[in-house]
Amino acid sequence: EAQLVESGGGLVQPGGSLRLSCLASGFRFSNYWMTWVRQAPGKGLEWVGNIKEDGSQTRYVDSLKGRFTISRDNAKNSLYLQMNSLGPDDTAVYYCATVREFHSGSVNWFDPWGQGTLVTVSS
Amino acid sequence: DIQMTQSPSSLSASAGDRVTITCRASETIGNFLNWYQQKPGKAPKLLIYGASSLQSGVPSRFSGSGSGTDFTLTISSLRPEDFATYYCQQCYSTPLTFGGGTKVEIK
Repeated sequence: EAQLVESGGGLVQPGGSLRLSCLASGFRFSNYWMTWVRQAPGKGLEWVGNIKEDGSQTRYVDSLKGRFTISRDNAKNSLYLQMNSLGPDDTAVYYCATVREFHSGSVNWFDPWGQGTLVTVSS
Repeated sequence: DIQMTQSPSSLSASAGDRVTITCRASETIGNFLNWYQQKPGKAPKLLIYGASSLQSGVPSRFSGSGSGTDFTLTISSLRPEDFATYYCQQCYSTPLTFGGGTKVEIK
C-alpha cells in the first residue's frame, strides 16, 4: 500500500527556516512527480509546488518562489521542502502527495496524501 | 492564474438527501478537474479525477460531471460518513489551484 509520512514540522520564529521531509513507501517513488500542499488553520488548500520524477524540474506558486525549495532523494525515497524567511502567514499544515496521471501532460491528480505536519511561525 | 469558485460554501443536509456541489473555473480547463473530500484533522482524500472518473474504492453514490468551466459533484444519497468539506482542484495549468471548499453539515 502506498504511504507517505511527513516530518520536520514544529514551532519556528519569524525569519527562521525549516526543512520538512516526506518518506514514501509501498510504491516506486522515483517514477512519480511529487507535490506539496499546505493548509492554514481553518482555511482551504493551497498548492505549494511540484517536482519531477528525477528532480530536474520544479514548479512553485509565484508567492513562494525564492523562499521555498522542493527537492528529492530517490535513493532514500524522500521528498523535502526547504522553507526560508518564514512569516506568520506560513503557519499551516503541510502535506506531501504523489502526483498520478494517465500519461505526461494528461489529467493528473494527488493520491495518496501524507497525514501532514504542522508548522507554526511565532515568536 | 485559474480561479476556482465553489458554491455553496456550506450546506446543511440530512442523511439520504441528494447533494450537489458546483465548481466554476475562470477559464476553460477541459476535464482537468479533480474532487477531494476532507474530514476534520485528516488529509484530503481523492474522490473524482478527470471530472468524472471515480477513484478506486470510492462509493458509487459519488459522481462528477462537467467540462470546460462548469463542474458538479453529486452525492446521490448522503450517508453520515459523508459529512465533510469538499474541494475541487484544477490540474490544467500551474499554479494548480483549489476551490474554496464546501462544508457539508448535518441538518
